[in-house]
Amino acid sequence: DTEVTQTPKHLVMGMTNKKSLKCEQHMGHRAMYWYKQKAKKPPELMFVYSYEKLSINESVPSRFSPECPNSSLLNLHLHALQPEDSALYLCASHQTPGLNYEQYFGPGTRLTVT
Amino acid sequence: LAKTTQPISMDSYEGQEVNITCSHNNIATNDYITWYQQFPSQGPRFIIQGYKTKVTNEVASLFIPADRKSSTLSLPRVSLSDTAVYYCLVGTEGSARQLTFGSGTQLTVLP
Repeated sequence: DTEVTQTPKHLVMGMTNKKSLKCEQHMGHRAMYWYKQKAKKPPELMFVYSYEKLSINESVPSRFSPECPNSSLLNLHLHALQPEDSALYLCASHQTPGLNYEQYFGPGTRLTVT
Repeated sequence: LAKTTQPISMDSYEGQEVNITCSHNNIATNDYITWYQQFPSQGPRFIIQGYKTKVTNEVASLFIPADRKSSTLSLPRVSLSDTAVYYCLVGTEGSARQLTFGSGTQLTVLP
């Protein structure tokens, strides 16, 4: 199984809502990532988890809260988002933190904040 | 951060070989060069990775000169389905350097 799955595929939320994005992989990868991608722009790194611990936070606003409950699962909790947070949110995983292997990306969650 | 520079867009015709060059003048000794392909509304897909000289897989080749200040992704005999954005990344895993996507090159393959 060489797949990263993300749910939901689409999400529309108001600025006062609380929602969560979910990412799952069963490849035994020990590094997992969240990226944000705006239309016609490259993906921007948000968070990196290595061995279930947060290792990189790219100065992301606190209205985005990541969580890694176990080595297969990565969540992104959303609260009080702004319309400019509307984007494609991508999850990725990587075999071994610290070694140069490829990242596997999920299909993304298309988020619209109204 | 190892900044990368790529052409914004390229056009090609089916069956031709396409070469996309990425400049990375401040590449560090430990940095690897990685290329990804992305179709609209999908996550990026790994194409190839290298450190020096030439790397080839079933999809593409990656040419890296001795000074490593640039790299060229070569796609042999492209088809319409190769129309996508191609990203060059330079860095070392475990740091944010490897995880910064460049602006990407939109490749359009014409019939």
